[in-house]
Amino acid sequence: NAGVTQTPKFQVLKTGQSMTLQCAQDMNHNSMYWYRQDPGMGLRLIYYSASEGTTDKGEVPNGYNVSRLNKREFSLRLESAAPSQTSVYFCASTKDDTDYEQYFGPGTRLTVT
Amino acid sequence: RKEVEQDPGPFNVPEGATVAFNCTYSNSASQSFFWYRQDCRKEPKLLMSVYSSGNEDGRFTAQLNRASQYISLLIRDSKLSDSATYLCVVNPLNTGTASKLTFGTGTRLQVTL
Repeated sequence: NAGVTQTPKFQVLKTGQSMTLQCAQDMNHNSMYWYRQDPGMGLRLIYYSASEGTTDKGEVPNGYNVSRLNKREFSLRLESAAPSQTSVYFCASTKDDTDYEQYFGPGTRLTVT
Repeated sequence: RKEVEQDPGPFNVPEGATVAFNCTYSNSASQSFFWYRQDCRKEPKLLMSVYSSGNEDGRFTAQLNRASQYISLLIRDSKLSDSATYLCVVNPLNTGTASKLTFGTGTRLQVTL
């Protein structure tokens, strides 16, 4: 099992460009999450999907959109990147929304210039 | 006051030493507590859950002090491989919802020869 995979690992964007971060899990988990991690701040939830077909905003959703493509895949889209979105992005999954053990992907390091 | 606060460190300790970290939380209704480990430039991974009665796993012991609203992590006989950042994670609500987890900024541990 690969667990949670993310692509790309690194990305540099110019302000205003768009991109989609991809996440997939092979653990048959129902719930998936997108976080960002910035220096001096804890992981902050951007969006989550408690189950296939549902998505909800987290703590910092502005500037992002998500798609739960199927049970395995959960993508995060930046429509018009801003320097404030420079961060490390982690995707995570849990068996369901009441399970606290989160399995994280390796992360995407995004720089917006 | 932040919901979850940790001393960022770094804690520099020699191999074989015992080291302890604390993490304070602001919401007295918090029900679930965890320690995650994050290696440099890697994803967080669950280290252990913190139960009301405490929890021990080999050289690692986690304790909860509800009266003073903190959790602790004790590492005995430190190894070089214990060098990492330790994240305190709290569910601030009395609901079984993994999407509400709050992550601390982490305490960095450096174990030296």
